[in-house]
Amino acid sequence: DGGITQSPKYLFRKEGQNVTLSCEQNLNHDAMYWYRQDPGQGLRLIYYSQIVNDFQKGDIAEGYSVSREKKESFPLTVTSAQKNPTAFYLCASSMGTEAYGYTFGSGTRLTVV
Amino acid sequence: GDSVTQMEGPVTLSEEAFLTINCTYTATGYPSLFWYVQYPGEGLQLLLKATKADDKGSNKGFEATYRKETTSFHLEKGSVQVSDSAVYFCALRGNTNAGKSTFGDGTTLTVKP
Repeated sequence: DGGITQSPKYLFRKEGQNVTLSCEQNLNHDAMYWYRQDPGQGLRLIYYSQIVNDFQKGDIAEGYSVSREKKESFPLTVTSAQKNPTAFYLCASSMGTEAYGYTFGSGTRLTVV
Repeated sequence: GDSVTQMEGPVTLSEEAFLTINCTYTATGYPSLFWYVQYPGEGLQLLLKATKADDKGSNKGFEATYRKETTSFHLEKGSVQVSDSAVYFCALRGNTNAGKSTFGDGTTLTVKP
């Protein structure tokens, strides 16, 4: 079945450490997105990519980095520069046109220990 | 820019009650409109959509009608169940804003037996 897979489901980061969250889709979608969700809050866009080898900053890109070397993959690195990384991270993908909704992964919960 | 405003929650209903969650939007052009549902600890799932004025989206007993004159897309269900307890997000996606979606802040629904 086609879908979007995020891993791991739970991740623990020590202070000063970089961690990478995986996002893979087999839906042949052009566009991919990373969102951050804090408890009881809405979604905030971190980065997005509309095509391979190209990506743009969202509203809260500081302390994060991404790559888009393959259409299927859009990993997110949370760097040590992100001072408050504890959150629920959601990856999504979509066809490029506005008539299509997003398909979301099941999320990664990152906790700083 | 684009924006989505949802009625504030939380909303608490008894089983078999009628549900309305209000959603209004501001956008240039003619966006597509969406409702997503998020169950605890999971990613968002697309619930229904409408791509042009007067379209009605429906799924699992939920309905919403694209009202251009009132810039609204209210979510309704005639008889809610305990299993409908979740967070509901209204969203729009237009052909401006680089094709990104704009999400509302979410409305938490709790249905009591």
